[in-house]
Formats: sequence, structure tokens, C-alpha cells
Amino acid sequence: DAKTTQPPSMDCAEGRAANLPCNHSTISGNEYVYWYRQIHSQGPQYIIHGLKNNETNEMASLIITEDRKSSTLILPHATLRDTAVYYCIVRPDNYGQNFVFGPGTRLSVLP
Amino acid sequence: DVKVTQSSRYLVKRTGEKVFLECVQDMDHENMFWYRQDPGLGLRLIYFSYDVKMKEKGDIPEGYSVSREKKERFSLILESASTNQTSMYLCASSSLPGPLKTGELFFGEGSRLTVL
Repeated sequence: DAKTTQPPSMDCAEGRAANLPCNHSTISGNEYVYWYRQIHSQGPQYIIHGLKNNETNEMASLIITEDRKSSTLILPHATLRDTAVYYCIVRPDNYGQNFVFGPGTRLSVLP
Repeated sequence: DVKVTQSSRYLVKRTGEKVFLECVQDMDHENMFWYRQDPGLGLRLIYFSYDVKMKEKGDIPEGYSVSREKKERFSLILESASTNQTSMYLCASSSLPGPLKTGELFFGEGSRLTVL
């Protein structure tokens, strides 16, 4: 499975956009990019995923570079409740494959 | 609302006891997973299953076994609990990715096990 690299921590001011980068330079053609977040003492929560095209949902936007070697998760208007650890994962689209969670990025949204 | 339910939120067991952690999902998912999460080590996969009665070892299967007799239920078993198995245990399930499915992981709330 392709490995991902994320900064260990980031700060963001409340109300501003939070842009969380992820490097996945060894990604292969059938691998999706998934983003999850984990708020303290809870199980991780799905945010968004994509293959090639940029994606947007009610929580966030996902921007994937044309060569697919990196992506950025964007929280357009961060709130204090967005303080969490964010995980970027690549996952092959084949049967039974698991998600490998790295250490993620600890995002602190500051008032 | 989709749901993954873990039987116990908090457990305290003694060294050598047999421990069962139960997980049930109501989404008819094919895949189910058991992770443990420890400070500084992130989530590590113990076992996963992609079908009834099927199981695959994850990254850290030693000291654990699993059972999947029904599609909706995936049990993690510690045959003889040890203090180094004190951890947060997270169960998850997923469907296969496809046009109508995201293949995302749905997690339970976790079971915090303390082995004394």
C-alpha cells in the first residue's frame, strides 16, 4: 500500500480555512485517497474520499493534484469543534484490503 | 442511522483472564476490522475479516484471535490477557467501494480495556 506523509501538527484560527496537506507520492492508479478525523476519545470519523477529481461535501473539500502524488483537505470555515487528529489514507480498491492509519496531523483550531 | 456497536465501553480484567470484545454492525457490510490504539502508536490493525468465517491477520495479531460466525458480528478474543494488552480497542466495518458505495470505514465508539 502507498504510504502517506502528513505534518504532525497545525494551528488554524477559528473561522479561517484549514488546509491540511498529505503527500502520497507512491500512490498507484487504483488507490483512493481517504480522509478521516478523530476527536479525543471517539472512534475515527469519515470525512471525504476521492480518486482523481476534486471532491466536496458538507464537511470539507478534497483537492488532489493532477499527478495524484499529493492532496489537500480543506475545512472552509474551521470551528473549535474541528480540533482533532486528521488522517490521510490511501486504499486499494480491492476486496478485503484494510485502511492503514499513520500518525496523522493534529489540528488545533484557536479562538 | 448506520451503526457499529461495541459491547463494552470500559472493561477491567485480570492477567490471565479470557476476554471477549464483541462488535455488531447493522449495515450489511462485508468487511470488519479490529484495531487497537495506543498513545504515540496510532491505530494498528489486529485482524480483519472480509466474509463470514474468513479472517486475515493484521499488523499485530499475536495474543489475539477473532471469530466471525455471522456477517454482522465480529468478535475479538484475548485468550489470556496480559498487561501489555491494556489499550483502546476499535471495531470498524466497511462495504466494498463501488458506484453506490463509498467503501468508507465506520467505527464503533471503542472499548477501553485495562488489564491488571
